[in-house]
Amino acid sequence: QVQLQQSGPGLVKPSQTLSLTCAISGDSMSSNSVAWNWIRQSPSRGLEWLGKTKYMSKWYNDYAVSVKSRITISPDTSKNQFSLQLNSVTPEDTAVYYCARDFRWSFDSWSQGTLVTVSS
Amino acid sequence: EIVLTQSPGTLSLSPGERATLSCRASESVSSSHLAWYQQKPGQTPRLLIYGASSRATGIPDRFSGSGSGTDFTLTISRLEPEDFAVYYCQQYGSSPSFGQGTKLEIK
Repeated sequence: QVQLQQSGPGLVKPSQTLSLTCAISGDSMSSNSVAWNWIRQSPSRGLEWLGKTKYMSKWYNDYAVSVKSRITISPDTSKNQFSLQLNSVTPEDTAVYYCARDFRWSFDSWSQGTLVTVSS
Repeated sequence: EIVLTQSPGTLSLSPGERATLSCRASESVSSSHLAWYQQKPGQTPRLLIYGASSRATGIPDRFSGSGSGTDFTLTISRLEPEDFAVYYCQQYGSSPSFGQGTKLEIK
């Protein structure tokens, strides 16, 4: 059974960088049948897909247009985990952030979620 | 980006009744790329249906999905008390997106 455990701070100051890590157990990051995603949820924006990383002979990333200029998703195969960095955050980035596995074009395993508040 | 519109926004029904939830896409979605989730307060979304009509592991058979093109439906045949929650549809085109949700509440 796949389990995703995320970690990172719950409070970030405006203009700074939001950083979260998602540790995977029960699957390999390098599996080429799945992708590893970041998704957030807020009352104003609902569920919003942010981006993914996937191994297909080499690492491939894809990002949502809404955050493309500010986001980086990085795999760490040595630790079987991946990370999210979101730069230049504003209060609009306040949300519950999830990491999730996608398989067969749906998100079948999710982390517990982290509420990240952007505030000074 | 494909926009998913769910209706109704809120559905009030009683246990034992049948629930029909709709998801309409702004452009055609491959049936392989349409999924449904259930979310209860304070919990993570749970995958119910993938590929428009295939139940995820452990999902009871009272949940079923159907549809194609731009119109998809989630049906719960006989509501159990634990089914009252918010339901989301999701598409996986060039950029995944979710509907705004339908809240299923007890009448």
